[in-house]
Amino acid sequence: EIVLTQSPATLSLSPGERATLSCRASQSVSSYLVWYQQKPGQAPRLLIYDASNRATGIPARFSGSGSGTDFTLTISSLEPEDFAVYYCQQRGNWPPAFGQGTKVEIK
Amino acid sequence: DVQLVESGGGLVQPGGSLRLSCAASGFTFSRYSMNWVRQAPGKGLEWISYISSSSITTIYEADSVKGRFTISRDNAKNSLYLQMNSLRDEDTAVYYCASPGYSSAWYGVYWGQGTLVTVSS
Repeated sequence: EIVLTQSPATLSLSPGERATLSCRASQSVSSYLVWYQQKPGQAPRLLIYDASNRATGIPARFSGSGSGTDFTLTISSLEPEDFAVYYCQQRGNWPPAFGQGTKVEIK
Repeated sequence: DVQLVESGGGLVQPGGSLRLSCAASGFTFSRYSMNWVRQAPGKGLEWISYISSSSITTIYEADSVKGRFTISRDNAKNSLYLQMNSLRDEDTAVYYCASPGYSSAWYGVYWGQGTLVTVSS
């Protein structure tokens, strides 16, 4: 079973700053890596699929990169609505495991 | 618009059973693969079950629920189900139905709002 490890656990930043979130897989997932945003009381929202493809309606400030075992989600300039928890998920092998999440909080 | 609405959650004693439903609208349900994902209070996400869209049904279940939970669908009723038996305290979670759309991929483009299942005596 593939294990995903996200870092850091918490990222304290100010609006306008750049956020860089990391996700590392215990074995290669090729490019089958997905990123979600989740706000309190809400379902996850798909941001990025297959490592670098933005989902429909996702602003260009969100970008994903990586392949194999190391992946990055970058938010180029944080907007107030971007403060949330972010999860990575691999979709290449059953079960489709999630990382433990990175909370992006207002500094 | 695609809409997924879960129902059927509630309080149940350990060892009990519950059936969750997910009502789908705004798309051709029979053509979408469907999934159940859960989230324990204050915790991360766990993918627990998948059912294909094809006439030859493919089902996957996570080890944590295998033999206790059963996913099924009724395309005529545009509905997805999760029969949960032998419930344990650790099954307490918000249960979401999710779908990738016209794909068999294991990720969620569309999500319901979730239904809370609490297992407690």
